[in-house]
Amino acid sequence: KNQVEQSPQSLIILEGKNCTLQCNYTVSPFSNLRWYKQDTGRGPVSLTIMTFSENTKSNGRYTATLDADTKQSSLHITASQLSDSASYICVVSGGNSWGKLQFGAGTQVVVTP
Amino acid sequence: GAGVSQTPSNKVTEKGKYVELRCDPISGHTALYWYRQSLGQGPEFLIYFQGTGAADDSGLPNDRFFAVRPEGSVSTLKIQRTERGDSAVYLCASSLSRDNEQFFGPGTRLTVL
Repeated sequence: KNQVEQSPQSLIILEGKNCTLQCNYTVSPFSNLRWYKQDTGRGPVSLTIMTFSENTKSNGRYTATLDADTKQSSLHITASQLSDSASYICVVSGGNSWGKLQFGAGTQVVVTP
Repeated sequence: GAGVSQTPSNKVTEKGKYVELRCDPISGHTALYWYRQSLGQGPEFLIYFQGTGAADDSGLPNDRFFAVRPEGSVSTLKIQRTERGDSAVYLCASSLSRDNEQFFGPGTRLTVL
């Protein structure tokens, strides 16, 4: 069973609207949680990295939250743009000696005009 | 180079053939990782190198898969007797050291006919 679960699997939003993606994880021990953006045909690019002591981090129009107690994270996209169309992957580091990354399956976001 | 590069970008081969996939990490990055990504899924860990040695190869699916990094820079992922199930995008990432951010290459799309 995947230790990082994301929802929804996909979503379509209108340009200019906001959306929130969810991530639940069971990885333990926990080191940090990252959100990556992956454009079609490209490698993932890091958006945010949070340790257990951080509960929110922003990168431009992207804001990630983390609740280490409930093992949940969210990624909020504000005022979406067409270029936000991509897969957003939640990644948790920990669970072994060297902090191997555990990837979620991603949420496919499509922003329409 | 400025980022992680991978060659070839696409590889089509026949079942039973041998293939080599190459990764050029960011200069100075001691840690290098290989992942495999199937359609609609997040990357799946294969192997992690620290310098020239494989620090964790627990993700390699079977003994048909092998990877080397003889001089601690370029790495080659080798797949023997390819099977149709090996078809996927193979991603390489590098980081300054194991606890630092991983930077991903664009991937090699492998298709086994």
